[in-house]
Amino acid sequence: DGGITQSPKYLFRKEGQNVTLSCEQNLNHDAMYWYRQDPGQGLRLIYYSQIVNDFQKGDIAEGYSVSREKKESFPLTVTSAQKNPTAFYLCASTDGTGYTFGSGTRLTVV
Amino acid sequence: SQKIEQNSEALNIQEGKTATLTCNYTNYSPAYLQWYRQDPGRGPVFLLLIRENEKEKRKERLKVTFDTTLKQSLFHITASQPADSATYLCALDQSSFYNQGGKLIFGQGTELSVKP
Repeated sequence: DGGITQSPKYLFRKEGQNVTLSCEQNLNHDAMYWYRQDPGQGLRLIYYSQIVNDFQKGDIAEGYSVSREKKESFPLTVTSAQKNPTAFYLCASTDGTGYTFGSGTRLTVV
Repeated sequence: SQKIEQNSEALNIQEGKTATLTCNYTNYSPAYLQWYRQDPGRGPVFLLLIRENEKEKRKERLKVTFDTTLKQSLFHITASQPADSATYLCALDQSSFYNQGGKLIFGQGTELSVKP
């Protein structure tokens, strides 16, 4: 079955650490996205990529980095510069007719 | 910048009734608007997309309307069931890159609870 796989499901980060969230899709979609969701808030766009080897900042890109070396993969790194990283992170892709989301990664700072 | 407002209060209805959720936006009318369902701890699931030149779209028990004059979309679930209980998100495009995968902005969602 086609879809988006995010891993890990739960991730714990110590202060000052960089962590990388994985996102893989087998839908052959060009466009991929990373969103952050906090309790009681809507999804906020972190980064997006419309084609391999190209990506743009979203509304809250500070403290995050991404790469898009392959069409199938769009990993997100949460750097130590992100001061409030505890949140639910969602990856998505689209062919223009609606987004397909992964099941999310819940990141907690310990 | 474009803002989306959904009812922040949870909507509680009885099984079999029609649930109506509201999505209002503030600035320019988007080329299209989408609705998603999200269950706790899960990613959103795409339900319906409606374009600016469409007034109404239906899919099974779901109906979406889009009024660019009022800057509003209404999402209806007819003959509601307890299994319809979830948070429903409204989203609209932030760019003109529709055919290439546009940027969506999301409302905060409305929680729907259908009681048996």
